[in-house]
Amino acid sequence: TQLLEQSPQFLSIQEGENLTVYCNSSSVFSSLQWYRQEPGEGPVLLVTVVTGGEVKKLKRLTFQFGDARKDSSLHITAAQPGDTGLYLCAGVRGKLIFGQGTELSVKP
Amino acid sequence: NAGVTQTPKFQVLKTGQSMTLQCAQDMNHEYMSWYRQDPGMGLRLIHYSVGAGITDQGEVPNGYNVSRSTTEDFPLRLLSAAPSQTSVYFCASSYSGPRGADTQYFGPGTRLTVL
Repeated sequence: TQLLEQSPQFLSIQEGENLTVYCNSSSVFSSLQWYRQEPGEGPVLLVTVVTGGEVKKLKRLTFQFGDARKDSSLHITAAQPGDTGLYLCAGVRGKLIFGQGTELSVKP
Repeated sequence: NAGVTQTPKFQVLKTGQSMTLQCAQDMNHEYMSWYRQDPGMGLRLIHYSVGAGITDQGEVPNGYNVSRSTTEDFPLRLLSAAPSQTSVYFCASSYSGPRGADTQYFGPGTRLTVL
């Protein structure tokens, strides 16, 4: 059983569309991180959210940490082909616990 | 800075063979860890180290050994390879580990196939 459930697992959209990726758990995390991974490379940190209810923006990406610190979402506005990749959420409970990942494909 | 480096990038083993995956970082990070990545399962922690001479088990440690004799190096040893160990292996490092919500820096990975 996955401690952190990520959805959807696969997402294929057209350039310009908006999308949201969800990361849910029944456990509380002290913080939560989002990573992006490109084929043949290691994950790269996008953001860390620490406070319940926190919202962080990174250009067209908006990250939110749930009030109870059990869930998080990543919203991308006007997706571009360069956003294509694997998005991973990871909760911190002493160690990093990863979700299964969301494979995003943005077609021109 | 080279960051986190891993060698080899690709490896094919036969069942029962042993090998060592190398990991090195030049950022003077205390915390280092090894993960394996399998389709649909995200990354799972194998072993980690909070400093030279100190190692501990993660979520899936069976079949793997680690040691940390220096701050820079954290090799992962497969004692007797099994097909279930076919995976992509990532090494990561950070200043103080996940507790501090530090940035984890990942290496480029080693793709291992066990026949």
